[in-house]
Amino acid sequence: DSGVTQTPKHLITATGQRVTLRCSPRSGDLSVYWYQQSLDQGLQFLIQYYNGEERAKGNILERFSAQQFPDLHSELNLSSLELGDSALYFCASTLAGENTGELFFGEGSRLTVL
Amino acid sequence: GENVEQHPSTLSVQEGDSAVIKCTYSDSASNYFPWYKQELGKRPQLIIDIRSNVGEKKDQRIAVTLNKTAKHFSLHITETQPEDSAVYFCAASITGNTPLVFGKGTRLSVIA
Repeated sequence: DSGVTQTPKHLITATGQRVTLRCSPRSGDLSVYWYQQSLDQGLQFLIQYYNGEERAKGNILERFSAQQFPDLHSELNLSSLELGDSALYFCASTLAGENTGELFFGEGSRLTVL
Repeated sequence: GENVEQHPSTLSVQEGDSAVIKCTYSDSASNYFPWYKQELGKRPQLIIDIRSNVGEKKDQRIAVTLNKTAKHFSLHITETQPEDSAVYFCAASITGNTPLVFGKGTRLSVIA
């Protein structure tokens, strides 16, 4: 158990809909990262938050947004969903804002868009 | 930005043989190179990492080598066992600056 909790584990929805994925980082970790894992694309970095502020942005679509709350949990919002958004979405956390060591991943949220 | 290429995409070895996975990176400023293992249906987990001030690091049956001049690094697994079967990801970043950029992964199958 990494200590990172993600909900829901599985989500099935239709095109055009909006979903919210939630992540609770390890106790004490200030940094949260979101990654998207599709079949042939490996782990694609979406966005990083540190202590409530956006720290870095990767290949995140405009239809996607995220935030980190004062209690340090984070939410990834995916809207106007398309079939291609079907993927496994991972949240990871670290203590610091800088990437100095191990990323602790949650178990992921598997999104299926029909 | 950084780009990480990983080869091969799939690898099958006999139990007891060695496995080698290779990665190249594009940003010469990258100085942190971890490897993650993802078992089927599980989360990625760090198995070993190397920083640019060393050329090789070993932990029991796994080792990683780094060639900064050529901008490539490799994972070596010796005496492979069925439980080594998984997808392995290499990654690179600039410590203290940028999030990890991952390769596309190598699916390793160890045949008993």
